[in-house]
Amino acid sequence: QQQVKQSPQSLIVQKGGISIINCAYENTAFDYFPWYQQFPGKGPALLIAIRPDVSEKKEGRFTISFNKSAKQFSLHIMDSQPGDSATYFCAASEGMGETSGSRLTFGEGTQLTVNP
Amino acid sequence: KAGVTQTPRYLIKTRGQQVTLSCSPISGHRSVSWYQQTPGQGLQFLFEYFSETQRNKGNFPGRFSGRQFSNSRSEMNVSTLELGDSALYLCASSLGVGTQYFGPGTRLTVL
Repeated sequence: QQQVKQSPQSLIVQKGGISIINCAYENTAFDYFPWYQQFPGKGPALLIAIRPDVSEKKEGRFTISFNKSAKQFSLHIMDSQPGDSATYFCAASEGMGETSGSRLTFGEGTQLTVNP
Repeated sequence: KAGVTQTPRYLIKTRGQQVTLSCSPISGHRSVSWYQQTPGQGLQFLFEYFSETQRNKGNFPGRFSGRQFSNSRSEMNVSTLELGDSALYLCASSLGVGTQYFGPGTRLTVL
């Protein structure tokens, strides 16, 4: 019920291509869906986040697409660059109010490699 | 604004010992969450503290405990260390709602 499933486990893309990472969830109480980027030796850094009242959110080259009925969301990285090579995690949490807290459930992670 | 800081960055302990990790949140943030990251289990939630009170707890044994001080700094303690406790321990802070900002982590190795 609390799991978030992420695919693919690894992804290799050519420079300038589009990277697509998918996540699926079961818990319909989830109402906040962030994506994090992690480089080796660093902590995860927030890339972009979405709430279920919108179907798409774009920030620069990064876009989240959200399908509430299918309980799926995805990250698209346009014009992928070698500097985007990192591990990407989707996450979800429920009830972002002060009484419920900030507990994130993470996907398994996707190792993205962008070849020059 | 300074980010989340964690100390120490690296730690080597032996089985049976105990360890204390420290986290200083972003100034003004009242919530501190702890996560364990391993290659096999990924990122798993340990617990969250808000205004010195544990607000959420993950599915970890009682050997894992934490606390938060009045200045929002938090410590995490693991007693009777096991080999499987080797991991990157991440601290994240937030205002109490919304985005969590992660620190660089403490790499714990248990021999």
